Amino acid sequence: DQQVKQNSPSLSVQEGRISILNCDYTNSMFDYFLWYKKYPAEGPTFLISISSIKDKNEDGRFTVFLNKSAKHLSLHIVPSQPGDSAVYFCAASANAGGTSYGKLTFGQGTILTVHP
Amino acid sequence: SAVISQKPSRDICQRGTSLTIQCQVDSQVTMMFWYRQQPGQSLTLIATANQGSEATYESGFVIDKFPISRPNLTFSTLTVSNMSPEDSSIYLCSVETTGMGGANVLTFGAGSRLTVL
Repeated sequence: DQQVKQNSPSLSVQEGRISILNCDYTNSMFDYFLWYKKYPAEGPTFLISISSIKDKNEDGRFTVFLNKSAKHLSLHIVPSQPGDSAVYFCAASANAGGTSYGKLTFGQGTILTVHP
Repeated sequence: SAVISQKPSRDICQRGTSLTIQCQVDSQVTMMFWYRQQPGQSLTLIATANQGSEATYESGFVIDKFPISRPNLTFSTLTVSNMSPEDSSIYLCSVETTGMGGANVLTFGAGSRLTVL
């Protein structure tokens, strides 16, 4: 049972436009959510996170929105740059203090391509 | 954040053999975590390695197949035993570090890509 789902395997956007990556979850115990970015031949790198007590968290060009009632979160990248082209993973844990002793549940990832 | 080095970065292995992956962290950490990413799939936690005690395995993973060592606070190994093509994956080592707002996040190594023929 896939508790965290990223239903779009890929997304293509033009440089300067907004990229919106979506993530749905089913486990109501999840209360901490993270986005990771992964380049080829590298490990995933932490991008941004949000606790369930918030509905929005912003860090520069990256904003994560959380809709608890819909069990949905999204990552907005504005403006998108070619260097943002990577695989983006959504992850969740059932511990608002962080990663619940290393146990994160990941989505399948979305390949973002930003065209110049 | 921590710097994690993994070896090998990639390998091609024959069915039935075993391979040991090494993970070195540049600082002392209590727990190290081993994840697997099968082709086209999400990352899945295999086990947690604590220094001085047995590793804790997640459902679906067993010690006989994935023995783990944790000899000190900066190093761990994961062995993939008696490999089959289904073990072809990227294996990732990770540790907890402090992220935004003081909450913990996971920092990952670059991964070890294994192909089993």
